[in-house]
Amino acid sequence: EADIYQTPRYLVIGTGKKITLECSQTMGHDKMYWYQQDPGMELHLIHYSYGVNSTEKGDLSSESTVSRIRTEHFPLTLESARPSHTSQYLCASSEEGAYLHGGYTFGSGTRLTVV
Amino acid sequence: AQTVTQSQPEMSVQEAETVTLSCTYDTSESDYYLFWYKQPPSRQMILVIRQEAYKQQNATENRFSVNFQKAAKSFSLKISDSQLGDAAMYFCAYTGDNAGNMLTFGGGTRLMVKP
Repeated sequence: EADIYQTPRYLVIGTGKKITLECSQTMGHDKMYWYQQDPGMELHLIHYSYGVNSTEKGDLSSESTVSRIRTEHFPLTLESARPSHTSQYLCASSEEGAYLHGGYTFGSGTRLTVV
Repeated sequence: AQTVTQSQPEMSVQEAETVTLSCTYDTSESDYYLFWYKQPPSRQMILVIRQEAYKQQNATENRFSVNFQKAAKSFSLKISDSQLGDAAMYFCAYTGDNAGNMLTFGGGTRLMVKP
């Protein structure tokens, strides 16, 4: 079944640790996105990619980095986690002309807590 | 830049009743698409309904329908015969010709359904 997968679902980690949040999709979508979702639930775009070797920063400044070496994989990395990084991170993907179809497909999210 | 505003942070409805969630947007584009997404607690965000701006007819999906007022730049979601499973965060989203697939989201409305 075509879908988008995020791991882990929940992560509690100490300050200063390096972490990678995984996101993979099986739909062959070229476009992928990372959103940070506040406790107030508003969505903020932090990174996006239009294809392999393409990455761009989103509207919200983030200390995280992303890579896109394979179409299906779009991991997000924090080199040194801090309590201010505590949030939910949502990954999404879309095909070309997403507005003609269902817009984005979202993963289930990773809830990150940095202590 | 396009903006999407959801003026109701929280709404509640009695089971089996009807509720309307509001969304307004600002754009100078003539051709665009609007979406409503549903995010249940701890679950994946899914598309509820989509509306093309060039279509005058309001979109309908089972118990979900929209009231699209292009001149007023308003796009409200009506949920009829509300069910407990409708309880979720609802996000209004916009994308236009110049957006390159990028969706702009509103701040969300939390819908509570009372039994």
